[in-house]
Amino acid sequence: AAGVIQSPRHLIKEKRETATLKCYPIPRHDTVYWYQQGPGQDPQFLISFYEKMQSDKGSIPDRFSAQQFSDYHSELNMSSLELGDSALYFCASSSIRQPRVKNTEAFFGQGTRLTVV
Amino acid sequence: AQSVSQHNHHVILSEAASLELGCNYSYGGTVNLFWYVQYPGQHLQLLLKYFSGDPLVKGIKGFEAEFIKSKFSFNLRKPSVQWSDTAEYFCAVTSTYGNNRLAFGKGNQVVVIP
Repeated sequence: AAGVIQSPRHLIKEKRETATLKCYPIPRHDTVYWYQQGPGQDPQFLISFYEKMQSDKGSIPDRFSAQQFSDYHSELNMSSLELGDSALYFCASSSIRQPRVKNTEAFFGQGTRLTVV
Repeated sequence: AQSVSQHNHHVILSEAASLELGCNYSYGGTVNLFWYVQYPGQHLQLLLKYFSGDPLVKGIKGFEAEFIKSKFSFNLRKPSVQWSDTAEYFCAVTSTYGNNRLAFGKGNQVVVIP
């Protein structure tokens, strides 16, 4: 079965550079979530999109932005990178079909490991 | 907002030993509960989930968890672990009335010694 695809798998950037992470959800999934997992940390929710509209916002820095496109893939854009942005960035997708559906499971991608040097 | 507590961050045990990982959440409403496993360098994989119904949930790889509503707990168990169960385990919760964001616990790093 198709899974959530993230690219690139690894990325090395210098401080103050920009980075773009891509996420391709499972076909027919309408919701995408982004999480950041720092070294030895639990995943922290950044932002989510439902039907191409931002549906929820967590602890996402102002230097980061994201969007979901018409084909439902999503991109996380990160500017003015800092050393502390080094982390594993997970994308997950789910099929909600309408807001506030009770029971739904999110499927995670392999993640993009970003290293800022 | 929901919060999740996991205790005993580092657990070391021998093969064939039993494993129990505690998870407590704080949220006044109805929640969905999950346990994820993350093998070294890998992505999060769902072990099991609870939405409603039988509070004893069976998942993959011989894991099970019990939802005790009165204790706000969702503890994970496996009767006999294997070396391949070495991984980090995360408990997570979503509200049934919300935008489905997962709130994770800090995780349990489990090391199984052959």
